[in-house]
Order: sequence, then structure tokens, then C-alpha cells
Amino acid sequence: NSKVIQTPRYLVKGQGQKAKMRCIPEKGHPVVFWYQQNKNNEFKFLINFQNQEVLQQIDMTEKRFSAECPSNSPCSLEIQSSEAGDSALYLCASSLFRHDTQYFGPGTRLLVL
Amino acid sequence: GEQVEQLPSSLIVQEGASVLINCSYTDSASVYFPWYKQEPGKRLQFIIDIRSNMERKQTQRLTLLFDKKTKHLSLHITATQPGDSAIYFCSARITGNTGKLIFGLGTTLQVQP
Repeated sequence: NSKVIQTPRYLVKGQGQKAKMRCIPEKGHPVVFWYQQNKNNEFKFLINFQNQEVLQQIDMTEKRFSAECPSNSPCSLEIQSSEAGDSALYLCASSLFRHDTQYFGPGTRLLVL
Repeated sequence: GEQVEQLPSSLIVQEGASVLINCSYTDSASVYFPWYKQEPGKRLQFIIDIRSNMERKQTQRLTLLFDKKTKHLSLHITATQPGDSAIYFCSARITGNTGKLIFGLGTTLQVQP
């Protein structure tokens, strides 16, 4: 089985800079989720896609993030203007169906200085 | 919204011991409960799940019990090994949503040889 791939593994940005991370879902998985895991192990759902369509996103994502899952290209999540509070592990997960088991990538650890 | 609580927050046991991790949730509309294991620096690994129409599920050394009335789950790990040392996360999905998971804050298990 292919595994979810996330790049880069680490990202260091200054406040106000853009921060972009990518995710390649497991082969054949049309549903992609993004979560943020902070240092206190609090998970926050950010957005999910089925194929190229957004299923659901939270307000923060809508206002400050740019995300897409283009056909035949990696999915991406980009913070438009990084803040210190964005420092966290960003996790991508994929599944075969919306309500199926989600398989996670290793994450992109973002540090905003 | 849905909240998931885990207890204890941490456990230290000797190799070979059994452990019990408890999880409770608030929203009676939750129908699916996957559990994940996260070792330092590694991806979240799916370990076991249960749906709300089941009471028990077992796989190898893991047994997951579900009580719909009390909104409570418990994960029992037998014959622990040092390789079981990780953070264990309980999560929940509400029926009818787009698939997003709500996670607990995790239980850190340390198995001493």
C-alpha cells in the first residue's frame, strides 16, 4: 500500500510570510483531510476535500489559508500570512470514502519565528 | 460541539503488564471511533476502530469496548512491550458530517523493559 506523503517535513518561517505544505494521498484515496496538532496535542480540523471539491472548512481556514487538491497534483495547504500561533504539526490524512478509516502522513512541522 | 476526553493522560508500566485507556465523548450522534498511536517523530498509525452498533472489537493484543449508554470507550492492551510506548489517541466522528474526526488529548504510555 502506498502511504500518505507530506512535504516538507519541517518549515521555518517569519511572521507575515507565506507557508506552503503539500500532501500526496494514498493511491486511490479521493478524500483528503488536513488537521493541525499543537504542542499540547490538541487537534483542529482545518479542511477536507473529495477529489477537487471542498467538503468542509473552518472559519480560520477560509480567512487565512489557501488550500486545494488539483487533479493529478499534490494537495496543498498554504498559510497566507504566518503568525506565531500557527506553529504546529500539520497533518494530512486520506481515506477511500468520507466515513472510512483515515490514514495519516508524517506531518509538516511549522515553526513561525 | 463534540468533545472527547481521555484518561489517564499518562501511564508507566512494566513490560508484560496490561493497560486500560478510557475515553468518553459528549455527542450522542457520534457513530465511529477510530484509535491511533503516535510514536515520537512518526506518523499517526491507525490501530483499531469501532462503530456505534458494536460493543466489542478485538485484534491481537487490543480489545476495544464501547458503551453507547454511558458514551464511554475503553482500550485494553495486554502483554505490553517497549514498542507499545507511544501516545494513544481516541477520536470520534459524528453521523452525517463530512468525515472530520474529533480527537482526545491522548494518553502517553511508557512501557519499561
